Amino acid sequence: QQPVQSPQAVILREGEDAVINCSSSKALYSVHWYRQKHGEAPVFLMILLKGGEQKGHEKISASFNEKKQQSSLYLTASQLSYSGTYFCGTQGGSEKLVFGKGTKLTVNP
Amino acid sequence: DGGITQSPKYLFRKEGQNVTLSCEQNLNHDAMYWYRQDPGQGLRLIYYSQIVNDFQKGDIAEGYSVSREKKESFPLTVTSAQKNPTAFYLCASSALRLNTEAFFGQGTRLTVV
Repeated sequence: QQPVQSPQAVILREGEDAVINCSSSKALYSVHWYRQKHGEAPVFLMILLKGGEQKGHEKISASFNEKKQQSSLYLTASQLSYSGTYFCGTQGGSEKLVFGKGTKLTVNP
Repeated sequence: DGGITQSPKYLFRKEGQNVTLSCEQNLNHDAMYWYRQDPGQGLRLIYYSQIVNDFQKGDIAEGYSVSREKKESFPLTVTSAQKNPTAFYLCASSALRLNTEAFFGQGTRLTVV
């Protein structure tokens, strides 16, 4: 039941852009995005809801294709602080929050 | 300050012993979750609860048990039946609405020695 994330890992130079994808085989009501630094708790980035509502950081954008049960997280002009593992979490009607395996992002100078 | 607290941060257990991980929140959240994190596996759901005295199994509940006697507390017991308990355990809570984020504790790293 875990959503599928791609790619598994990406390496960028500072200033470059990245896209992280998340897809589910089930109908979704919401998609969450979190970033985790090694050994720390995941930190909330964004929620996207069925119907178009979004809530999150101003500098991070994402899309949610309800028909395809897919979401993408867009990281533009990456900074060193963007490094970490990004997780998408999905909720269907039961409100159970299930996460993918993560995408490890490394931003180098 | 409101938040979610896990304790202890590090825990060592001998094989064959049960151990209980604590999770407390003062955010007045109805929903609480336990996740297990292993390298390359992401966050896998163990148990979740949406109301006091009620909880549901997640994807990897075997070898674990929980209780929800109070809204603020959701302890996880790792039993001797869990064959590979060494992992990083994360507790989270959220309001019972679809448009709200989950808040995570700082995690407990359990090691079987």
